[in-house]
Amino acid sequence: SAVISQKPSRDICQRGTSLTIQCQVDSQVTMMFWYRQQPGQSLTLIATANQGSEATYESGFVIDKFPISRPNLTFSTLTVSNMSPEDSSIYLCSVVRDGYTFGSGTRLTVV
Amino acid sequence: GQQVMQIPQYQHVQEGEDFTTYCNSSTTLSNIQWYKQRPGGHPVFLIQLVKSGEVKKQKRLTFQFGEAKKNSSLHITATQTTDVGTYFCAVYNFNKFYFGSGTKLNVKP
Repeated sequence: SAVISQKPSRDICQRGTSLTIQCQVDSQVTMMFWYRQQPGQSLTLIATANQGSEATYESGFVIDKFPISRPNLTFSTLTVSNMSPEDSSIYLCSVVRDGYTFGSGTRLTVV
Repeated sequence: GQQVMQIPQYQHVQEGEDFTTYCNSSTTLSNIQWYKQRPGGHPVFLIQLVKSGEVKKQKRLTFQFGEAKKNSSLHITATQTTDVGTYFCAVYNFNKFYFGSGTKLNVKP
């Protein structure tokens, strides 16, 4: 299966600031997916990142809050903008390779 | 997005007991996947089921896909403490996967 490097692994941020999360895949993939997992909850799809086009966002998620970049077929970033404590979650990137392969996640705490 | 119900939400068992989690959909599914997430970890792919009535086994784990392709189950025989974690089903719709709510399994030694 694919190997995904995700960073940072965790961060504590002040409210009102932004954090950019990076995912690097060891091979080219067409689509990358970004998920949010709130404490004790399931995974919720934020958006699908396609190379060469704008990301496709799920209901309840908007580009101004979660801008995504996909500059090439092995890399993507998710920014959590103007953070509030409600954004405290684990953020995961994933690709489709033998099922979904996930990055190790970014545990974000907003204070 | 796709709605899939997963039950139970929690399950506490004594080591050696069996465990089953179920996923149910109101619509016919093209396939279903199962994942395990250890505490503090990220979800790890276990298996994908595609065919109606399909049954797959991985050691003590048995996965079933219903005949109508609307439900699925994961059964663990003789649980061990290493089985602790949350088990998620995920269904495929419109080129993406949507996850069930998960069943958190705790195994008492």
